[in-house]
Amino acid sequence: GENVEQHPSTLSVQEGDSAVIKCTYSDSASNYFPWYKQELGKRPQLIIDIRSNVGEKKDQRIAVTLNKTAKHFSLHITETQPEDSAVYFCAASTGNNRLAFGKGNQVVVIP
Amino acid sequence: DTAVSQTPKYLVTQMGNDKSIKCEQNLGHDTMYWYKQDSKKFLKIMFSYNNKELIINETVPNRFSPKSPDKAHLNLHINSLELGDSAVYFCASSPSQGGVGSFFGQGTRLTVV
Repeated sequence: GENVEQHPSTLSVQEGDSAVIKCTYSDSASNYFPWYKQELGKRPQLIIDIRSNVGEKKDQRIAVTLNKTAKHFSLHITETQPEDSAVYFCAASTGNNRLAFGKGNQVVVIP
Repeated sequence: DTAVSQTPKYLVTQMGNDKSIKCEQNLGHDTMYWYKQDSKKFLKIMFSYNNKELIINETVPNRFSPKSPDKAHLNLHINSLELGDSAVYFCASSPSQGGVGSFFGQGTRLTVV
């Protein structure tokens, strides 16, 4: 089955700087790649997703890039703010089976 | 209106007891899921139902039994609770199989003492 790995496990950034989290996946048939944000004690929330027919997608300060050849995708957060502090999960799916989640990245934005 | 609602939000119970968690979604989605999130925050899928039909059944002890009376509801019954069952259980739903656009409930924190 699909195996998704996230790096780094913890990322600390100064407020206003950019944060980048990278995920790798194993199944070349995967075609859907979402990112979820989970604040402490809250539910995972879908913040952005990308399909395999697109290389990049942006939504305000958040962007996701996909490299199908290398089988990795990344979350980019620009102009980080304290409310960006959370655990971020990447996931991958072939579209007809399950979402395979990475183990999560703790992002800490230092004011 | 809460899109995916779980009850209860917190559950504290003794070892050996049987308990149920309920989940309802009003998004009109066809597929529902149960995930377990342990203390290390890892999200592990347990079960998935598509239009009341079980489509994913991970390696979960048979003390866990899901039931989907209709496509808007997915309940989880746990028999003979053990200490290791302590975790946060999330219900989620998506328009179709594959988890695309999955929306999570607020979670049920289960503590077995």
